Amino acid sequence: DSGVTQTPKHLITATGQRVTLRCSPRSGDLSVYWYQQSLDQGLQFLIQYYNGEERAKGNILERFSAQQFPDLHSELNLSSLELGDSALYFCASSVGVPGLSQGTEAFFGQGTRLTVV
Amino acid sequence: TQLLEQSPQFLSIQEGENLTVYCNSSSVFSSLQWYRQEPGEGPVLLVTVVTGGEVKKLKRLTFQFGDARKDSSLHITAAQPGDTGLYLCAGAPLVTTTSGSRLTFGEGTQLTVNP
Repeated sequence: DSGVTQTPKHLITATGQRVTLRCSPRSGDLSVYWYQQSLDQGLQFLIQYYNGEERAKGNILERFSAQQFPDLHSELNLSSLELGDSALYFCASSVGVPGLSQGTEAFFGQGTRLTVV
Repeated sequence: TQLLEQSPQFLSIQEGENLTVYCNSSSVFSSLQWYRQEPGEGPVLLVTVVTGGEVKKLKRLTFQFGDARKDSSLHITAAQPGDTGLYLCAGAPLVTTTSGSRLTFGEGTQLTVNP
């Protein structure tokens, strides 16, 4: 058990809909990362939050947004869903502090498998 | 942009064989991490190497960080079916900017060990 909790584990929805994925980081971790993993592909970095603030953006679509709340849990919102958005979405947390190279080890949740039909 | 290239992309071997997976970059990293991912699960951290030339052993797995901290290798001795999975290397930036401290992941090596 990594200590990172993601819900829901599975999600099936129709094209055009909007969904929210939730992540609770490990206790004490201030950094939260979101990744997308499509079939037979590696991890694609989407976005990082540190202590409630957005700190880094990857290849995140404009239809996607995220936020980190004062209690440090994070939500990833996916809207106007397309078939190609079907993937595993992972949340990870670390003690990493922007500006420091230590503590970057990532602890991943079990992921949310999103299927868009 | 920092990139990590892993090779081979796929590897299918028989139980008992040895194998090496490589992770290469033109960029210098402050540390290199290896993760293992099983189907439907999140990646799990195996090891972190920090010092150039560092070698770490985890049972039958040997991890090495290149002297210049640009590359790393994972060697598995006498592979077992339980070693099957996706092996990912990830580099931590040498100098993190104020914009983040995220890892750069390689594309992964899918290892299958047949009984």
